[in-house]
Amino acid sequence: DVKVTQSSRYLVKRTGEKVFLECVQDMDHENMFWYRQDPGLGLRLIYFSYDVKMKEKGDIPEGYSVSREKKERFSLILESASTNQTSMYLCASTKRGAQLNYGYTFGSGTRLTVV
Amino acid sequence: QKEVEQNSGPLSVPEGAIASLNCTYSDRGSQSFFWYRQYSGKSPELIMFIYSNGDKEDGRFTAQLNKASQYVSLLIRDSQPSDSATYLCAVNNPHNAGNMLTFGGGTRLMVKP
Repeated sequence: DVKVTQSSRYLVKRTGEKVFLECVQDMDHENMFWYRQDPGLGLRLIYFSYDVKMKEKGDIPEGYSVSREKKERFSLILESASTNQTSMYLCASTKRGAQLNYGYTFGSGTRLTVV
Repeated sequence: QKEVEQNSGPLSVPEGAIASLNCTYSDRGSQSFFWYRQYSGKSPELIMFIYSNGDKEDGRFTAQLNKASQYVSLLIRDSQPSDSATYLCAVNNPHNAGNMLTFGGGTRLMVKP
Protein backbone atom coordinates (compact mmCIF):
# COMPACT_ATOMS: atom_id res chain seq x y z
CA ASP A 1 0.00 0.00 0.00
CA VAL A 2 1.04 3.56 -0.67
CA LYS A 3 2.10 5.28 2.46
CA VAL A 4 2.06 9.00 3.03
CA THR A 5 3.64 9.78 6.37
CA GLN A 6 3.33 13.07 8.19
CA SER A 7 5.95 13.52 10.84
CA SER A 8 3.74 14.77 13.66
CA ARG A 9 0.18 13.94 14.61
CA TYR A 10 -0.19 16.83 17.04
CA LEU A 11 1.91 19.95 17.33
CA VAL A 12 1.72 22.98 19.59
CA LYS A 13 3.76 26.02 18.64
CA ARG A 14 4.05 29.59 19.85
CA THR A 15 3.11 32.66 17.84
CA GLY A 16 6.06 33.85 15.76
CA GLU A 17 7.83 30.50 15.66
CA LYS A 18 9.01 29.02 12.40
CA VAL A 19 7.23 25.70 11.94
CA PHE A 20 8.15 22.81 9.68
CA LEU A 21 5.61 20.15 8.70
CA GLU A 22 7.11 17.16 6.95
CA CYS A 23 5.49 14.73 4.54
CA VAL A 24 7.12 11.65 3.05
CA GLN A 25 5.66 9.21 0.53
CA ASP A 26 7.17 5.86 -0.40
CA MET A 27 5.70 5.18 -3.87
CA ASP A 28 7.68 7.42 -6.19
CA HIS A 29 4.80 9.87 -6.64
CA GLU A 30 5.56 13.01 -8.61
CA ASN A 31 2.63 15.06 -7.35
CA MET A 32 2.39 16.17 -3.75
CA PHE A 33 -0.03 18.56 -2.07
CA TRP A 34 -0.53 20.44 1.17
CA TYR A 35 -4.04 21.24 2.36
CA ARG A 36 -5.47 22.74 5.47
CA GLN A 37 -8.90 21.77 6.72
CA ASP A 38 -11.06 23.89 8.96
CA PRO A 39 -14.67 23.36 10.11
CA GLY A 40 -17.09 24.80 7.58
CA LEU A 41 -14.34 25.65 5.09
CA GLY A 42 -13.48 22.21 3.76
CA LEU A 43 -10.13 21.33 2.23
CA ARG A 44 -8.15 24.32 1.03
CA LEU A 45 -5.06 23.89 -1.13
CA ILE A 46 -1.99 25.71 0.15
CA TYR A 47 0.77 24.56 -2.20
CA PHE A 48 1.48 21.69 -4.55
CA SER A 49 4.48 20.29 -6.36
CA TYR A 50 4.77 18.32 -9.58
CA ASP A 51 8.37 17.32 -9.20
CA VAL A 52 11.57 17.92 -7.30
CA LYS A 53 12.27 21.62 -6.78
CA MET A 54 8.97 22.54 -8.43
CA LYS A 55 6.23 24.28 -6.49
CA GLU A 56 3.01 26.02 -7.33
CA LYS A 57 0.77 28.20 -5.18
CA GLY A 58 -2.63 26.91 -4.33
CA ASP A 59 -5.62 28.90 -3.15
CA ILE A 60 -4.24 30.12 0.20
CA PRO A 61 -0.42 30.34 0.06
CA GLU A 62 -0.06 33.47 2.19
CA GLY A 63 2.03 32.87 5.29
CA TYR A 64 3.35 29.54 4.00
CA SER A 65 6.23 28.29 1.91
CA VAL A 66 7.26 24.83 0.77
CA SER A 67 10.36 22.87 -0.05
CA ARG A 68 10.81 19.81 -2.25
CA GLU A 69 14.45 18.86 -2.41
CA LYS A 70 13.80 15.13 -2.81
CA LYS A 71 11.02 13.43 -4.70
CA GLU A 72 9.66 11.62 -1.66
CA ARG A 73 9.60 14.59 0.72
CA PHE A 74 7.44 17.72 0.64
CA SER A 75 7.80 20.17 3.51
CA LEU A 76 5.40 22.92 4.51
CA ILE A 77 6.91 25.88 6.32
CA LEU A 78 5.07 28.43 8.40
CA GLU A 79 7.51 31.32 8.35
CA SER A 80 6.08 33.02 11.45
CA ALA A 81 3.24 31.05 12.98
CA SER A 82 0.06 32.91 13.85
CA THR A 83 -3.04 31.82 15.74
CA ASN A 84 -5.11 31.87 12.54
CA GLN A 85 -2.90 29.07 11.24
CA THR A 86 -4.25 26.72 13.89
CA SER A 87 -5.72 23.95 11.75
CA MET A 88 -5.54 20.36 10.55
CA TYR A 89 -2.86 20.08 7.86
CA LEU A 90 -3.12 17.26 5.35
CA CYS A 91 -0.50 16.10 2.88
CA ALA A 92 -1.52 14.12 -0.20
CA SER A 93 0.25 12.54 -3.14
CA THR A 94 -0.43 10.85 -6.46
CA LYS A 95 1.47 9.49 -9.43
CA ARG A 96 1.53 11.90 -12.36
CA GLY A 97 -1.58 11.26 -14.46
CA ALA A 98 -2.88 8.71 -11.99
CA GLN A 99 -5.12 11.15 -10.18
CA LEU A 100 -7.72 10.54 -12.88
CA ASN A 101 -7.82 6.87 -12.02
CA TYR A 102 -6.80 6.63 -8.40
CA GLY A 103 -7.35 10.00 -6.80
CA TYR A 104 -5.06 11.15 -4.02
CA THR A 105 -3.62 9.30 -1.05
CA PHE A 106 -3.64 11.33 2.13
CA GLY A 107 -1.32 11.29 5.11
CA SER A 108 -2.76 10.95 8.59
CA GLY A 109 -2.74 14.70 9.17
CA THR A 110 -1.08 17.08 11.61
CA ARG A 111 -3.24 18.96 14.07
CA LEU A 112 -1.35 22.21 14.63
CA THR A 113 -2.23 24.56 17.45
CA VAL A 114 -0.57 27.97 17.59
CA VAL A 115 -0.76 29.64 20.98
CA GLN B 1 -21.12 28.88 -8.05
CA LYS B 2 -18.76 26.50 -6.27
CA GLU B 3 -17.04 23.99 -8.49
CA VAL B 4 -18.14 21.03 -6.36
CA GLU B 5 -21.14 21.36 -4.09
CA GLN B 6 -22.42 19.13 -1.34
CA ASN B 7 -25.05 19.60 1.31
CA SER B 8 -23.14 19.92 4.57
CA GLY B 9 -25.77 17.99 6.54
CA PRO B 10 -25.90 16.43 8.96
CA LEU B 11 -27.81 13.70 7.20
CA SER B 12 -29.33 11.46 9.82
CA VAL B 13 -30.51 7.94 8.94
CA PRO B 14 -31.52 4.99 11.11
CA GLU B 15 -29.37 1.89 11.21
CA GLY B 16 -30.17 -0.44 8.32
CA ALA B 17 -31.54 2.30 6.08
CA ILE B 18 -30.13 3.55 2.78
CA ALA B 19 -28.09 6.74 3.03
CA SER B 20 -28.02 8.89 -0.11
CA LEU B 21 -25.27 11.47 -0.47
CA ASN B 22 -25.30 13.91 -3.35
CA CYS B 23 -22.76 16.06 -5.16
CA THR B 24 -23.03 18.44 -8.09
CA TYR B 25 -20.16 19.80 -10.13
CA SER B 26 -19.84 22.72 -12.50
CA ASP B 27 -17.32 21.68 -15.17
CA ARG B 28 -18.78 19.53 -17.95
CA GLY B 29 -15.28 18.45 -18.93
CA SER B 30 -14.69 16.61 -15.66
CA GLN B 31 -14.02 12.93 -16.18
CA SER B 32 -13.23 11.35 -12.83
CA PHE B 33 -15.29 11.38 -9.67
CA PHE B 34 -14.28 10.18 -6.24
CA TRP B 35 -15.88 9.63 -2.86
CA TYR B 36 -13.76 9.90 0.27
CA ARG B 37 -14.80 9.02 3.80
CA GLN B 38 -13.36 11.02 6.67
CA TYR B 39 -13.87 10.06 10.28
CA SER B 40 -13.70 12.83 12.85
CA GLY B 41 -10.08 13.82 13.48
CA LYS B 42 -8.78 11.50 10.77
CA SER B 43 -7.67 11.99 7.18
CA PRO B 44 -9.82 11.24 4.10
CA GLU B 45 -9.72 7.72 2.67
CA LEU B 46 -10.85 6.81 -0.82
CA ILE B 47 -13.88 4.52 -0.89
CA MET B 48 -15.26 4.76 -4.44
CA PHE B 49 -14.45 6.21 -7.84
CA ILE B 50 -16.49 6.34 -11.02
CA TYR B 51 -15.79 7.50 -14.58
CA SER B 52 -18.76 6.33 -16.64
CA ASN B 53 -22.41 7.25 -16.54
CA GLY B 54 -24.50 4.84 -14.56
CA ASP B 55 -23.97 2.88 -11.38
CA LYS B 56 -20.91 1.28 -9.88
CA GLU B 57 -21.33 -1.06 -6.95
CA ASP B 58 -18.79 -2.14 -4.34
CA GLY B 59 -20.23 -4.04 -1.41
CA ARG B 60 -22.73 -1.83 0.40
CA PHE B 61 -21.63 1.23 -1.59
CA THR B 62 -23.00 2.34 -4.95
CA ALA B 63 -21.72 5.36 -6.83
CA GLN B 64 -24.02 6.89 -9.42
CA LEU B 65 -22.93 9.31 -12.14
CA ASN B 66 -25.09 11.40 -14.43
CA LYS B 67 -22.86 13.59 -16.59
CA ALA B 68 -25.77 15.26 -18.38
CA SER B 69 -27.06 16.55 -15.06
CA GLN B 70 -23.55 17.01 -13.63
CA TYR B 71 -24.52 14.98 -10.64
CA VAL B 72 -22.78 12.21 -8.72
CA SER B 73 -24.16 10.38 -5.73
CA LEU B 74 -23.15 7.77 -3.19
CA LEU B 75 -25.63 5.28 -1.80
CA ILE B 76 -24.84 3.32 1.34
CA ARG B 77 -27.10 0.35 1.85
CA ASP B 78 -27.75 -1.21 5.25
CA SER B 79 -26.16 1.80 6.95
CA GLN B 80 -24.22 1.05 10.11
CA PRO B 81 -23.21 3.36 12.98
CA SER B 82 -19.62 2.83 11.80
CA ASP B 83 -20.57 4.62 8.56
CA SER B 84 -21.02 7.83 10.55
CA ALA B 85 -18.44 10.16 9.05
CA THR B 86 -18.05 13.07 6.65
CA TYR B 87 -18.14 12.10 2.98
CA LEU B 88 -16.17 14.21 0.54
CA CYS B 89 -16.88 14.31 -3.17
CA ALA B 90 -13.87 15.07 -5.42
CA VAL B 91 -13.88 15.83 -9.13
CA ASN B 92 -11.00 16.34 -11.53
CA ASN B 93 -10.64 19.84 -12.95
CA PRO B 94 -9.57 19.50 -16.58
CA HIS B 95 -8.68 23.17 -16.85
CA ASN B 96 -5.96 23.32 -14.26
CA ALA B 97 -2.44 22.03 -14.77
CA GLY B 98 -2.26 18.38 -13.98
CA ASN B 99 -5.98 17.66 -13.80
CA MET B 100 -6.00 18.30 -10.08
CA LEU B 101 -8.93 17.28 -7.95
CA THR B 102 -11.40 19.76 -6.52
CA PHE B 103 -13.09 18.73 -3.29
CA GLY B 104 -16.57 19.51 -2.09
CA GLY B 105 -17.13 20.69 1.45
CA GLY B 106 -18.38 17.29 2.56
CA THR B 107 -21.62 15.88 3.93
CA ARG B 108 -21.73 14.72 7.51
CA LEU B 109 -23.61 11.43 7.86
CA MET B 110 -24.98 10.22 11.18
CA VAL B 111 -26.31 6.67 11.42
CA LYS B 112 -28.39 6.21 14.54
CA PRO B 113 -28.66 2.76 16.20
